[in-house]
Amino acid sequence: GEDVEQSLFLSVREGDSSVINCTYTDSSSTYLYWYKQEPGAGLQLLTYIFSNMDMKQDQRLTVLLNKKDKHLSLRIADTQTGDSAIYFCAESKGAAGNKLTFGGGTRVLVKP
Amino acid sequence: NAGVTQTPKFQVLKTGQSMTLQCAQDMNHEYMSWYRQDPGMGLRLIHYSVGAGITDQGEVPNGYNVSRSTTEDFPLRLLSAAPSQTSVYFCASREQGASGYTFGSGTRLTVV
Repeated sequence: GEDVEQSLFLSVREGDSSVINCTYTDSSSTYLYWYKQEPGAGLQLLTYIFSNMDMKQDQRLTVLLNKKDKHLSLRIADTQTGDSAIYFCAESKGAAGNKLTFGGGTRVLVKP
Repeated sequence: NAGVTQTPKFQVLKTGQSMTLQCAQDMNHEYMSWYRQDPGMGLRLIHYSVGAGITDQGEVPNGYNVSRSTTEDFPLRLLSAAPSQTSVYFCASREQGASGYTFGSGTRLTVV
């Protein structure tokens, strides 16, 4: 099965909070990442969390990591129409963490 | 800095043709990787490099070759294109010890 899994789609109203969930299987992952992809563009690193942390906050973004359940979430506060995009979670593997394994992506649609 | 530059942006090949996708970065990053993105499958690692002269296979290496003669360049060669290689290809780089990869804007390849 997939190493990293995400739900396919999330619809949210402008101004509400969005929560995107991700599960992974490799307990040896060093870093876990959230990337954003807008149409026709490459991936933009939003934030990351080291595997020995539980939470990281960066402006409107909050990452929660539950290592026991291998569950990662990204919360976007005060969601804006510009947040409409595909969001990928990824885990790093390899001796130097140089191999990323991505989930299939969650398409977030923000409605006005 | 231009970041990670990929050329061409679009390419159509006939089955059996060969071509090279170019990737260059001007950030003096040690690590570089090639991913392919297919609908609903996230990104999958093709090949990666941890420095000039050093390359290794990723998850889906068959049908692709790479070389890393300089720190800046990491070309991806398709030896004999097949329709299954129709995809969007992303190159990424990061410096040693850094937490996240910087991605190029991608090459959309269609093999007919």
